[in-house]
Amino acid sequence: DTAVSQTPKYLVTQMGNDKSIKCEQNLGHDTMYWYKQDSKKFLKIMFSYNNKELIINETVPNRFSPKSPDKAHLNLHINSLELGDSAVYFCASRKLAGGADTQYFGPGTRLTVL
Amino acid sequence: DAKTTQPNSMESNEEEPVHLPCNHSTISGTDYIHWYRQLPSQGPEYVIHGLTSNVNNRMASLAIAEDRKSSTLILHRATLRDAAVYYCIPSSGGSNYKLTFGKGTLLTVNP
Repeated sequence: DTAVSQTPKYLVTQMGNDKSIKCEQNLGHDTMYWYKQDSKKFLKIMFSYNNKELIINETVPNRFSPKSPDKAHLNLHINSLELGDSAVYFCASRKLAGGADTQYFGPGTRLTVL
Repeated sequence: DAKTTQPNSMESNEEEPVHLPCNHSTISGTDYIHWYRQLPSQGPEYVIHGLTSNVNNRMASLAIAEDRKSSTLILHRATLRDAAVYYCIPSSGGSNYKLTFGKGTLLTVNP
C-alpha cells in the first residue's frame, strides 16, 4: 500500500493557468507538508498543516494556496502559474516520536510551466 | 536551524563500506540528527536518526561524536541501489517541526 501518494505525477501547463496537486496519506499522521525542489535540486519547505490547521507558511507567493479537507489530505492549488514555478513538488507526512519525528515523502509531482 | 557541512560527493565500490560524514557544530541540545536520502527521481526517504548514542538499523549505522558536533552515516556494504543524495539534518520536534535540507552528499556506487 502506498503510504503517501500524489497526483498527478507529471503536470505540464501554460503560464497563467491555475492548477492543483493532490496529496493523500494513509498512515494516520496528523501533520502534512509541501516541499519544493527546484532545478538546482534544493529542497525547501513551503507549508505545514496539522489536523487541517496551517502551522508553517514559509515565504511563498500568495498564488500558492494549500487546502486540507481532512487530516489525510493536503492539496496545493497554484494560481496564475509562472515559469519559475517549474519544479518538483513533494508532499510529506509526519510521524510523531517525541522529538525524533520522521517524515514520509510522496513520489513527487513534476510541474513544468511553458 | 543548525547549519550542516557535508562533502558534495563521494564514491564507493559495490560491496564496500561507505562512511558519509556530516559536521553540525551549531546543533542544539534537543536536536536529533536525522539522515535522509533521495534516490534518483524519487522523494526523500528516512534512513536513520540518533541523539547521543550510536544507532543501528537494517539500512545503516549512525556514529555520533561525543560532543555531537559531527556524525557519520555508515553503509556497511554499499549496493548500486544505495546511489543517492544523502542529507544530514539536525532537528527537534514541536509544533513547528520541519526538515531543513542542505545540499547533501551525492554518493556514487561503482559496480
